[in-house]
Amino acid sequence: GEDVEQSLFLSVREGDSSVINCTYTDSSSTYLYWYKQEPGAGLQLLTYIFSNMDMKQDQRLTVLLNKKDKHLSLRIADTQTGDSAIYFCAESYYGNNRLAFGKGNQVVVIP
Amino acid sequence: GAVVSQHPSRVICKSGTSVKIECRSLDFQATTMFWYRQFPKQSLMLMATSNEGSKATYEQGVEKDKFLINHASLTLSTLTVTSAHPEDSSFYICSATHADLSTDTQYFGPGTRLTVL
Repeated sequence: GEDVEQSLFLSVREGDSSVINCTYTDSSSTYLYWYKQEPGAGLQLLTYIFSNMDMKQDQRLTVLLNKKDKHLSLRIADTQTGDSAIYFCAESYYGNNRLAFGKGNQVVVIP
Repeated sequence: GAVVSQHPSRVICKSGTSVKIECRSLDFQATTMFWYRQFPKQSLMLMATSNEGSKATYEQGVEKDKFLINHASLTLSTLTVTSAHPEDSSFYICSATHADLSTDTQYFGPGTRLTVL
């Protein structure tokens, strides 16, 4: 079954790196996603990684996937105040385009 | 590309009335559209999956007669909350998958805040 776990709160100073973690239970997932949600807004797709990859880098974002431990992380380099938001990881499955979301991780960037 | 809009962004209604929320894919054709609700400080809960021209598939525990979904075209899906009650107050978010892409990436609308008095 689908069960995605995330920690809840992270405070980080502007300019530092942030790391958000996520664990999942179903090893048959095909894609894993990171979404960002600002207050009162919908979800913005940040990046995604195919399940046969270990790492993906996209500008300030680095996604690491450890399939053995079913662990996904998102590293934000040089965190900015605009990065303050809730971050959700999600997974999807081949032939089933439903997403299972984690509970979200609130990141607060301190100037 | 892959922009999804929702209308209205915010609605307040009286208990017992019905409210319709629209979800549109603006620059792509959407194979499938999804409807979620989100309670404060919580994650998204999938309500239903809708494919153009066919009946929506509802998640367990979601009343299909209360939350009517119509997916009349590849760019428009509507969610109607019928006989709304205060407990239906929530943030409703839709998403869509792009018909031309091989991934199942979902692109989300900005959400609709429903408050039932």
